[in-house]
Amino acid sequence: NAGVMQNPRHLVRRRGQEARLRCSPMKGHSHVYWYRQLPEEGLKFMVYLQKENIIDESGMPKERFSAEFPKEGPSILRIQQVVRGDSAAYFCASSPIGQGVMYEQYFGPGTRLTVT
Amino acid sequence: QKEVEQNSGPLSVPEGAIASLNCTYSDRGSQSFFWYRQYSGKSPELIMSIYSNGDKEDGRFTAQLNKASQYVSLLIRDSQPSDSATYLCAVITTSGTYKYIFGTGTRLKVLA
Repeated sequence: NAGVMQNPRHLVRRRGQEARLRCSPMKGHSHVYWYRQLPEEGLKFMVYLQKENIIDESGMPKERFSAEFPKEGPSILRIQQVVRGDSAAYFCASSPIGQGVMYEQYFGPGTRLTVT
Repeated sequence: QKEVEQNSGPLSVPEGAIASLNCTYSDRGSQSFFWYRQYSGKSPELIMSIYSNGDKEDGRFTAQLNKASQYVSLLIRDSQPSDSATYLCAVITTSGTYKYIFGTGTRLKVLA
């Protein structure tokens, strides 16, 4: 039973380029969450998606960032025109059920984005 | 007041001792609580979930929940150097919509 998969594991981009991060949830999970973690800091919620639906994007910057979870294929977090401050670890988590009283989130290995 | 608060540490304990990690939360209606372990450079790993007042034990780990005091803790018995990591508390808050909120974590160092 494969866990949450993320790729690439490491991504280097120059300022102004686009970064595309992919996440495939665990088998049987249809809810995906993206988090950002800066060095020595906590996890910051960015966006919560179900298939073809953005449920909560309250943690995502309004500009340059977008996310999708199409009917087929992985969830994508896209960062346009990256800046040095975007350098961070981006984690994806999935859960079998969505918002409710109790559900557990399971994390992928993360993508470490470095902007030069 | 932060929604989920943890002491950042580091909390240092000798090998073999009990490590006690604490977490407080602000939403009195919260019903679901989770502990994650995160090694440096790695992703968070779910250790335990707890939903009812009292203790829940799993091997060397015990989670304790006190909803009246809005307090959840994690005890690690017979601490090992391999337990050295950051421990994240997460709470599902119910204000408005259900949200999974993480604390900033407590760094634990187990000294050999």
